[in-house]
Amino acid sequence: ETGVTQSPTHLIKTRGQQVTLRCSSQSGHNTVSWYQQALGQGPQFIFQYYREEENGRGNFPPRFSGLQFPNYSSELNVNALELDDSALYLCASSPPDQEKLFFGSGTQLSVL
Amino acid sequence: AQKVTQAQTEISVVEKEDVTLDCVYETRDTTYYLFWYKQPPSGELVFLIRRNSFDEQNEISGRYSWNFQKSTSSFNFTITASQVVDSAVYFCALSGFRGTGFQKLVFGTGTRLLVSP
Repeated sequence: ETGVTQSPTHLIKTRGQQVTLRCSSQSGHNTVSWYQQALGQGPQFIFQYYREEENGRGNFPPRFSGLQFPNYSSELNVNALELDDSALYLCASSPPDQEKLFFGSGTQLSVL
Repeated sequence: AQKVTQAQTEISVVEKEDVTLDCVYETRDTTYYLFWYKQPPSGELVFLIRRNSFDEQNEISGRYSWNFQKSTSSFNFTITASQVVDSAVYFCALSGFRGTGFQKLVFGTGTRLLVSP
């Protein structure tokens, strides 16, 4: 049990719609990251938030955006959904000064 | 650019066999971290180990052991006396050290391990 919870666990959307995925990390973890894992692939880094500011981004378009809140929760927003956005979205948090990520169980997003 | 290669897509063993999962990495960083994660069917990535680039000592934790060799850029993972509960996808990952709280993991494509009774 990592203490990182994600909601919802499964989601079905249609192309062009917008989606918000949520993550609640452990108290004291001031860093949260989001990863996209396509079927049969390793997770790909989307972005990271540190003390409520985005401090790193992977190769994802601007329609992927996020927020980190003071209560250690976080959101991933995806606009104008495309079929290729279908994937498992993983949230991970990290305590201060520790190079270790704790992952949630993910949200399985299907775009039809 | 950083890259992690896990050439073994799937490995099938019978319970109690030993199995080694291979991981080869590429990085230009002099300071970096290597990780192994386990992903059971539930989807959650379970942290197994983190090693930094300055520590090449092999490590053993119960039935698990890791062999880090900088000379060959490899960080292999061995499970001794495998059990059915070890069945999962195993990912090797690499992270550079950036400070300021930033950390980005670069994952391999994973190795699916099937342990049959």
